[in-house]
Amino acid sequence: GAGVSQSPSNKVTEKGKDVELRCDPISGHTALYWYRQSLGQGLEFLIYFQGNSAPDKSGLPSDRFSAERTGGSVSTLTIQRTQQEDSAVYLCASSLLGGSGHRLVYEQYFGPGTRLTVT
Amino acid sequence: AQSVTQLGSHVSVSEGALVLLRCNYSSSVPPYLFWYVQYPNQGLQLLLKYTSAATLVKGINGFEAEFKKSETSFHLTKPSAHMSDAAEYFCAVSGSGGYQKVTFGTGTKLQVIP
Repeated sequence: GAGVSQSPSNKVTEKGKDVELRCDPISGHTALYWYRQSLGQGLEFLIYFQGNSAPDKSGLPSDRFSAERTGGSVSTLTIQRTQQEDSAVYLCASSLLGGSGHRLVYEQYFGPGTRLTVT
Repeated sequence: AQSVTQLGSHVSVSEGALVLLRCNYSSSVPPYLFWYVQYPNQGLQLLLKYTSAATLVKGINGFEAEFKKSETSFHLTKPSAHMSDAAEYFCAVSGSGGYQKVTFGTGTKLQVIP
C-alpha cells in the first residue's frame, strides 16, 4: 500500500516568511511524528501525535513552530517567521501501535522528507 | 530518559569486508532498540529491531545486531559489505510499554570502497 507522503519535496523561502509542510501518514496509523534533520545533527524530535491524546510538543524548538493533525490523519507543520537556522530536512513518520500482552511494539515508517531552505 | 551514542560519524569498508557500526545506549527502563537506514535523498527505513525477545536480531539485507545488556550495546554487523550498503545508519532507542518517544543517534555514514 501507499507509504508516508510529504509535500512539498523542496521548499525555498525568504527569511521572515511562513511555511507549511504537509504529511500524509499511512492509512490507519494512529501515531504521527515530526523530526528535523540538520546536516551532521542526526534526527531531532519535534512533535508527536497519538490518536485523540494531547500531542507531545516537547521537541518544538520555539513558539514559531506549531503542528496540527486534522481528523487523526493529515498533519501540517507550520513555521512562522522563518530563520536561516530553520533550514533542514523535515521528516514525518507514522506508526501503528500494536503487540501482544502488555508490551507494545511499534516501528516508524518515514516519508521522504521536505527539504527547507531559508534564504 | 533514553539516549544512544553512535561511535564514528563516518565508516569506510572495502567491498566484501565486515561491516561493524557501533551503538551504545542508555536507558533507565528496559529498552527497545532499532536500526534504521537512510539512502541518499530518501526517508529512513527500518533495518531491524530488538524488543526483548532474542538478543540476536536479524534484519533485512543481511544485517544483524546483538543486544548486550552488560555492555549496553546494540552494534550492527554484516559479514560482507556490498556497494549498495552505502548509506547513513541510525541507531534508536525507546522505552518499552506504552508510548515512549524514540530517540535517535546522530548517524553513521557508511562508505563502501570497491
